[in-house]
Amino acid sequence: KNEVEQSPQNLTAQEGEFITINCSYSVGISALHWLQQHPGGGIVSLFMLSSGKKKHGRLIATINIQEKHSSLHITASHPRDSAVYICAVRYERGAQKLVFGQGTRLTINP
Amino acid sequence: EAGVAQSPRYKIIEKRQSVAFWCNPISGHATLYWYQQILGQGPKLLIQFQNNGVVDDSQLPKDRFSAERLKGVDSTLKIQPAKLEDSAVYLCASSLGVGLDEQYFGPGTRLTVT
Repeated sequence: KNEVEQSPQNLTAQEGEFITINCSYSVGISALHWLQQHPGGGIVSLFMLSSGKKKHGRLIATINIQEKHSSLHITASHPRDSAVYICAVRYERGAQKLVFGQGTRLTINP
Repeated sequence: EAGVAQSPRYKIIEKRQSVAFWCNPISGHATLYWYQQILGQGPKLLIQFQNNGVVDDSQLPKDRFSAERLKGVDSTLKIQPAKLEDSAVYLCASSLGVGLDEQYFGPGTRLTVT
């Protein structure tokens, strides 16, 4: 079992739909990151969260520390949002490394 | 501000051959990371440097993989000899420090071992 689990693994939707991607983890963390990876490999950081909610444009990220769960929402989705979205956590104790989920491949059709 | 640079972008080698990847982090970033990303999976940390010292190499297959960051700036990752299962994208990232600092990723090197 992965330490960081994302769902769904693949998601296809129509332009304009509201998108939700989920991330669950099993240990105490100091921070959770949402990252976007486009074809070709480049990874861009979208959010870093330790509590509550953050919003940037059409993207919203929430985290529930007690339930060890985070969600990434995209409002009014657009084909350019098509990418792999990756959740990563930094453990509260021990090594400072990031542990990544397997990613969610999002395809938005026009 | 220039981003994290990596080269080459693509490499195809036969098994048992050697290969080296190069990374130049963002100027002033003390921490450098090498990740391996196998198709369909999230990145996995291979090694983390703080300046020119190794912070974490617990998941680096040391019988075939090596990495160095001699002057605390750019870094090389080497595989010798390569195996089929080493086919992956090798990502380099850097951050100002450690802990909660944001990591900035390079474009990656896609390695295919045949």
